[in-house]
Amino acid sequence: GQNIDQPTEMTATEGAIVQINCTYQTSGFNGLFWYQQHAGEAPTFLSYNVLDGLEEKGRFSSFLSRSKGYSYLLLKELQMKDSASYLCAVRGNANDYKLSFGAGTTVTVRA
Amino acid sequence: DVKVTQSSRYLVKRTGEKVFLECVQDMDHENMFWYRQDPGLGLRLIYFSYDVKMKEKGDIPEGYSVSREKKERFSLILESTSTNQTSMYLCASSFGTGHSPLHFGNGTRLTVT
Repeated sequence: GQNIDQPTEMTATEGAIVQINCTYQTSGFNGLFWYQQHAGEAPTFLSYNVLDGLEEKGRFSSFLSRSKGYSYLLLKELQMKDSASYLCAVRGNANDYKLSFGAGTTVTVRA
Repeated sequence: DVKVTQSSRYLVKRTGEKVFLECVQDMDHENMFWYRQDPGLGLRLIYFSYDVKMKEKGDIPEGYSVSREKKERFSLILESTSTNQTSMYLCASSFGTGHSPLHFGNGTRLTVT
């Protein structure tokens, strides 16, 4: 089975940094994805990690440690528009088409 | 940009009615998926399809069926709705496996009364 855990909610101030952690226990591993979902909208793809280390994309970075079953999404220079849910998802095996998702972390950015 | 279009944004149905949720993608993706999203539970996979006329059960297929007669279209069928099927239904598509992300539609909010 797949078990993917992330915090339910986080609050941070505009301009600050927030780190969203994700731990996973899955039968097989072939990549971890982060998605952003604004209220009432579709999830949109943010990042992909399959090897250990940090991937940076502008204000957003994602880190993976396969040995620890752990990832985080780092949001820097927070803006009000970053208020959203952030979803961690894992692809289990090389031939796996589907993703298994965590329950999501709702981030609220305060002025 | 990939476009995944779901036919309805909001639906209200009575218990026992039959419901078709339609999804169309325009990027020639092989894979299509139906998830439902509920507070505190996240996205749970109902069914997916990796080719025309092929379908695989996801984690929660009970009470649902699917149809994929054409590559671009994937339908979710609720034969006889029940109140526990009130949810947000999200369709997605992707190309291949590996690093290919899922691209989602805007969702259908189904309420069963």
